[in-house]
Amino acid sequence: NAGVTQTPKFQVLKTGQSMTLQCAQDMNHNSMYWYRQDPGMGLRLIYYSASEGTTDKGEVPNGYNVSRLNKREFSLRLESAAPSQTSVYFCASRPAGLAGGRGPLTHTQYFGPGTRLTVL
Amino acid sequence: SQQGEEDPQALSIQEGENATMNCSYKTSINNLQWYRQNSGRGLVHLILIRSNEREKHSGRLRVTLDTSKKSSSLLITASRAADTASYFCVEGGFKTIFGAGTRLFVKA
Repeated sequence: NAGVTQTPKFQVLKTGQSMTLQCAQDMNHNSMYWYRQDPGMGLRLIYYSASEGTTDKGEVPNGYNVSRLNKREFSLRLESAAPSQTSVYFCASRPAGLAGGRGPLTHTQYFGPGTRLTVL
Repeated sequence: SQQGEEDPQALSIQEGENATMNCSYKTSINNLQWYRQNSGRGLVHLILIRSNEREKHSGRLRVTLDTSKKSSSLLITASRAADTASYFCVEGGFKTIFGAGTRLFVKA
């Protein structure tokens, strides 16, 4: 049981390049999340998916797109990277979702190890 | 969705002392959660308290919730150097908005 995995761990892009950050969970969770964290700051929600087939904007969605490919996978795409997108990106999943989820830990989010992205 | 606001922003204590962090929020909640983040890593869930609970314990952690004041506190007793981390509170809805956190530094 790997939990939440993210690839790649590190990435350096040039301004204008595109890339997709991958996230997968093997816990059969309903909800998945993408956050970014700038140095010394808290997490900011980019997009979330409360169930397979649905996605919603978070606090800072501009410049990003997401795909909930299936229940396991939730990818984040930068179409044209900018230096302001230099950050650490965290993916998270949670049992609770629009499709259900019960139990004492249903609202607990489980985080991946992060992807460190630098845009030059 | 709503954001938890942690206070203080930073806290430095000696090993063995207790650490108290506070969280305020603006609207009604179903539950409130506390997370810990060690430097550069993903967040780890510590404890969840439901809106109908006033206090909850887990090992050296004690969380209180005052829904009339829309506030919660996290107490870490007998702190250790390994408790050095950032601590965040968040309401448990779908659209989770984290605050800036409290950075705790425990000196050995």
